[in-house]
Amino acid sequence: DAKTTQPPSMDCAEGRAANLPCNHSTISGNEYVYWYRQIHSQGPQYIIHGLKNNETNEMASLIITEDRKSSTLILPHATLRDTAVYYCIVRSLIYGGATNKLIFGTGTLLAVQP
Amino acid sequence: ETGVTQTPRHLVMGMTNKKSLKCEQHLGHNAMYWYKQSAKKPLELMFVYNFKEQTENNSVPSRFSPECPNSSHLFLHLHTLQPEDSALYLCASSQLTGVEQYFGPGTRLTVT
Repeated sequence: DAKTTQPPSMDCAEGRAANLPCNHSTISGNEYVYWYRQIHSQGPQYIIHGLKNNETNEMASLIITEDRKSSTLILPHATLRDTAVYYCIVRSLIYGGATNKLIFGTGTLLAVQP
Repeated sequence: ETGVTQTPRHLVMGMTNKKSLKCEQHLGHNAMYWYKQSAKKPLELMFVYNFKEQTENNSVPSRFSPECPNSSHLFLHLHTLQPEDSALYLCASSQLTGVEQYFGPGTRLTVT
């Protein structure tokens, strides 16, 4: 699976959009970009995933560059409860066997400020 | 109960004790996972089970022994642990594709 690079920390003002970048320059054609977050001392929570088109759900939007070498997770109106470590993960979507695993990096600690 | 539950939430054990962590998922998934999260370190995948069969052992020491009696339950049996095994142990489940994994709240383990 391709390696990802994220800034270790970011701040965001409450109510503003939080834009979290992720670099995955070695991504291959069958690899998806996943985002999870982990609020302090809780289990990680799935946010969104995508292949090459931009995706949006009730939690966030995912913008993937045309060359797929980087992506941005957007929380449109950050709240204090969005303070968490955000993980960008790249992996292929292969069914079954030992390949349905996620490799977590160190992520970005997003601190939403009041 | 909904989602993924883990018991106990907190556990303190001596190095000579034997204990077990329990995970239960109520989502109808067929894959289950154990992860370890030590202080200031990324989550580390320990084991993967698909349809009750172990498909991944990420070089975990034998003092950690997983058991998956059915697709809804996963155990982690612990014996003769070391203080460096103190960590947050997380269980997760998913459909076989593993696209979206649902995590439990974790068991905070302290080995004294």
